[in-house]
Formats: sequence, structure tokens, C-alpha cells
Amino acid sequence: NAGVTQTPKFQVLKTGQSMTLQCAQDMNHEYMSWYRQDPGMGLRLIHYSVGAGITDQGEVPNGYNVSRSTTEDFPLRLLSAAPSQTSVYFCASSLSGGPRNEQFFGPGTRLTVL
Amino acid sequence: KNEVEQSPQNLTAQEGEFITINCSYSVGISALHWLQQHPGGGIVSLFMLSSGKKKHGRLIATINIQEKHSSLHITASHPRDSAVYICAVGKGSNYKLTFGKGTLLTVNP
Repeated sequence: NAGVTQTPKFQVLKTGQSMTLQCAQDMNHEYMSWYRQDPGMGLRLIHYSVGAGITDQGEVPNGYNVSRSTTEDFPLRLLSAAPSQTSVYFCASSLSGGPRNEQFFGPGTRLTVL
Repeated sequence: KNEVEQSPQNLTAQEGEFITINCSYSVGISALHWLQQHPGGGIVSLFMLSSGKKKHGRLIATINIQEKHSSLHITASHPRDSAVYICAVGKGSNYKLTFGKGTLLTVNP
């Protein structure tokens, strides 16, 4: 099993550009989520999904869109990149929702917005 | 005040030392997670606790629900233990976890 995969590993964007961060898992997990990690702050939840076709907002959703058309994939779209979106982005999955499930994280995408 | 507070923020130890990292939280929780992140690396789950104590190799995690406090201990520390250790809590059946800011551990040979 590959676990949770993310592409790209690194990305540089100019302000106003759009892009999609890819996330896929091969563990048949129902719950998937996107976090951003910024210096001096804990991981913050952007969006999450409890199953195919179901998504919801997390703590910091502005400027991001998600969709979940399959169990495996959960892409994160930046609509119009801003310097404030410079961050490291992690995708995570777990077998089901709920706080007692082990979280599996992808390797991260380091995004710089100029 | 953050819901999840970790201490210390930074910790430097010599190889072989016993390490303790603390996590305090301000709300009732149903589960607490300890995670490890190596420099420039991904995040790995170490433990999930809802009560008591768990041990895996040289790592031990404890939780005191009444005192809203958890500790992560590393026995016989090694330079490969150098990483950021992150505490996260979940409430009720809520899907969302709240994360601490992490503790940067450096173990020198």
C-alpha cells in the first residue's frame, strides 16, 4: 500500500494563479482532511470529507475548495492564490471519522505564493 | 488561551537521557493523539489515548483525564528521536482534532 500520497511536493505560484493539490489514499478510508501548517502554529483544518460526495469546512476554509468524487481522491483547489496561503499542506485520512481513529498523513506539499 | 498547550516548546537532550514532553488541554476530550514529525518530513501517528498508558518500544504515553494532562516519555533517547512531537485532542464524536504547536526535540550524540 502506498498509504496517503500527495502531489506536488513543492510548488511556487504567483499571486492570483490557481492550482490543485492532489491527495489520494489506497486504504479505503472514509474520512479525509486537509491541513495547513504554519510556523509557530498548530496544524489547522481547512476542509474535510466523511465520504464520497460529502465535504465540509474546517477552521480556515476561505480561498480553498474541495470535492470528493471517489473514496480515494480528495483534491484541494486554490482559487486565486495569495501570499497568505504560503504554507505546508498536509492531507490526512482515517478509517472513519471520530477522534479515536488513527490519522495517516501524506508527505506534505510546500507551497510558496509570490 | 489555546485549547492545547505543549511544554516545553524546545528541548535539547544528550543521547541516553530520559525525555518528557507535556500536553495540557482545557476542554473535555474523548481522545488524545501524539504525533511525530521529522525535519522536512511527514507526520506519523505514535499513540492514541483515551485513558491510562500506552507503550511502544522506548516511547511511553500517559494521560490523566481528571487533570486534563498527557505526557510523552522517551527512554534512552537517541539522535534519531530528534523531531517535532505534536499533541492533538478530539472532543466527543467530533471529527475535528485540535493540535498543539509542537515540541522540537533535539538529541545530541
